[in-house]
Amino acid sequence: KNEVEQSPQNLTAQEGEFITINCSYSVGISALHWLQQHPGGGIVSLFMLSSGKKKHGRLIATINIQEKHSSLHITASHPRDSAVYICAVKENTGNQFYFGTGTSLTVIP
Amino acid sequence: DGGITQSPKYLFRKEGQNVTLSCEQNLNHDAMYWYRQDPGQGLRLIYYSQIVNDFQKGDIAEGYSVSREKKESFPLTVTSAQKNPTAFYLCASTSMRGSYNSPLHFGNGTRLTVT
Repeated sequence: KNEVEQSPQNLTAQEGEFITINCSYSVGISALHWLQQHPGGGIVSLFMLSSGKKKHGRLIATINIQEKHSSLHITASHPRDSAVYICAVKENTGNQFYFGTGTSLTVIP
Repeated sequence: DGGITQSPKYLFRKEGQNVTLSCEQNLNHDAMYWYRQDPGQGLRLIYYSQIVNDFQKGDIAEGYSVSREKKESFPLTVTSAQKNPTAFYLCASTSMRGSYNSPLHFGNGTRLTVT
């Protein structure tokens, strides 16, 4: 049983396209994280959300707590956005995190 | 600059040998985690620690051991009892102050290959 499900698993887009990655979760959470993993393996935190919407540059993250769903949007996608995007949630009953399997994004020039 | 340092980046070992992966953070974070990443799977928790000298097993702790003698350091030993140790290992940390949600910080990972 996966506490966090992401879709799609793989995504290929043309440069400039609007991209959406979805995340659904089944546990009660205190926060949801969107992470980015580049081919070298290191992971960086993009967003931490507990409600509403956040924006950094061309990236937008939204969360609907009632529906247990979050989306990550990339506007005007660029080849440097090519990476694996991972959704993670921190459960509200402890200190553990649960991770989705990631969405592999390739943006073609 | 604060961050998490994992070393080495690549590690090769013969089957039957124990190996220790290093993880050091200078973020003054209380909680530290070890995860294993395999192709097509989400990160899986090996061990985590919320305070010095205390740690808890995660979902896949068998064949691994950890210590937390200092707040900054959380080394992971992959023992010969781990049946399939070849994987990418990631260390992470976060602050645990009260109910405040803190971002999760990751090291750059150690890729372990056992032959």
